[in-house]
Amino acid sequence: LAKTTQPISMDSYEGQEVNITCSHNNIATNDYITWYQQFPSQGPRFIIQGYKTKVTNEVASLFIPADRKSSTLSLPRVSLSDTAVYYCLLWANQAGTALIFGKGTTLSVSS
Amino acid sequence: GAVVSQHPSRVICKSGTSVKIECRSLDFQATTMFWYRQFPKQSLMLMATSNEGSKATYEQGVEKDKFLINHASLTLSTLTVTSAHPEDSSFYICSARDGRGGAPGVNIQYFGAGTRLSVL
Repeated sequence: LAKTTQPISMDSYEGQEVNITCSHNNIATNDYITWYQQFPSQGPRFIIQGYKTKVTNEVASLFIPADRKSSTLSLPRVSLSDTAVYYCLLWANQAGTALIFGKGTTLSVSS
Repeated sequence: GAVVSQHPSRVICKSGTSVKIECRSLDFQATTMFWYRQFPKQSLMLMATSNEGSKATYEQGVEKDKFLINHASLTLSTLTVTSAHPEDSSFYICSARDGRGGAPGVNIQYFGAGTRLSVL
C-alpha cells in the first residue's frame, strides 16, 4: 500500500513553473522523500531526494515543511520534454529496502 | 549518476518458452537489486528483492518458481520468466541501490531502462 498521495494529473504550459504536492501524513522518522520521473517505456529516473527543509539541484527543488507530512516538487520553466509521470516515494534509510510506487502524477506540458 | 544496464530492451517469445533478463550495475556494486513489473497505464509493482549470494525475497502473489531470480555477483542479477504465457507480457524493470553518494546514510536507487516482454 502506497504511503503517499499526489494528484493524478496536472497540465501546464511551456515556460511555467510546476509544483506537484505530495501528502505523506504517516511518514516515519527514518523516511526520506524521493521523487522520480518516468517516460513511457522507460525506467524511472531519479530527480531529487530530501529529508527536511529545502533541497535544490540542477533539475528541481524539493520543499519539505517542518512537520514533513507533505512535500512539493518544483520544476522551474517546464518544457514539452518534461511531460512524464512523476512519483513521490518514501524510502526508509535501511539497506535492502525497496521503493514502493503509488500511482504518480501525470504531467502534461503544452506549447 | 550511477548506471544500471538492463538487457534485452525488448523480447518477443512463443508461449511456453523461457526468457532471461539481465540487470547489471555498471559502476558500483549492488548487494541488493530489485525487480518490478509494470502493466500499461499502471504504476510499478515490486516483484522481488534480489540478494547477492542468497535467495531472493518475493512479494506476495509472485510465483517464485515462475520468476526465477539469480544474483550471482555484486553487479549482476537475472530474472528468468519460465514457461511464459501471454499474461506474463509486461514491462519488467530492475533497479539497484548505490550507497556511495548523497548525504551520509542516504542511498539512491537507480533503475534500468526496462524490458518489454511480449508472449505470443
